[in-house]
Amino acid sequence: DTGVSQDPRHKITKRGQNVTFRCDPISEHNRLYWYRQTLGQGPEFLTYFQNEAQLEKSRLLSDRFSAERPKGSFSTLEIQRTEQGDSAMYLCASSLGGVIVYTFGSGTRLTVV
Amino acid sequence: AQKITQTQPGMFVQEKEAVTLDCTYDTSDPSYGLFWYKQPSSGEMIFLIYQGSYDQQNATEGRYSLNFQKARKSANLVISASQLGDSAMYFCAMRERADRGSTLGRLYFGRGTQLTVWP
Repeated sequence: DTGVSQDPRHKITKRGQNVTFRCDPISEHNRLYWYRQTLGQGPEFLTYFQNEAQLEKSRLLSDRFSAERPKGSFSTLEIQRTEQGDSAMYLCASSLGGVIVYTFGSGTRLTVV
Repeated sequence: AQKITQTQPGMFVQEKEAVTLDCTYDTSDPSYGLFWYKQPSSGEMIFLIYQGSYDQQNATEGRYSLNFQKARKSANLVISASQLGDSAMYFCAMRERADRGSTLGRLYFGRGTQLTVWP
């Protein structure tokens, strides 16, 4: 499989719990993006990595959110003390430097109960 | 102000007919790119077509074409010969020029249009 892989596909968690999602980009892609999509909305940018460096973060990424890409390959997105408003689809995308188009993964759907 | 506006929450089209999905955008950056993505119920965002702000001709990709009207700031997607498999959510998105002319940068998405193709 040469696409962007996200794990898990679905996550149900209780309010207040921590959750972590993983994204495996296409192997040669050095750029990685996280987006969040709530019901009835288009995706909204969260953060961006070039290799292992986190170069941009949206103000949507509160201090309960943290993203890492430790070796410039896979990335994790952690949400601490989840709230019901965190319920959304979390999409990961990757691209190769200089290439305009991203490739998106299938997303992780988070439900906070 | 919204950077991308999609005014059609839902559209219906009969199989084999053409359909136009509307998109208007707002930017003061002279260099930008416009994208259309398809999102089936599985959730994955599938890239369909791209138009750069300096491109002279409208982009085409198979059954997809982008009707780019720069003065009106519109970038409508035209799907010709609709198929049942075209039923999905369609998003228009824009990328503005990042710092120092880099090709990276966040995408701004509209709220989407749900297209239903009926037999």
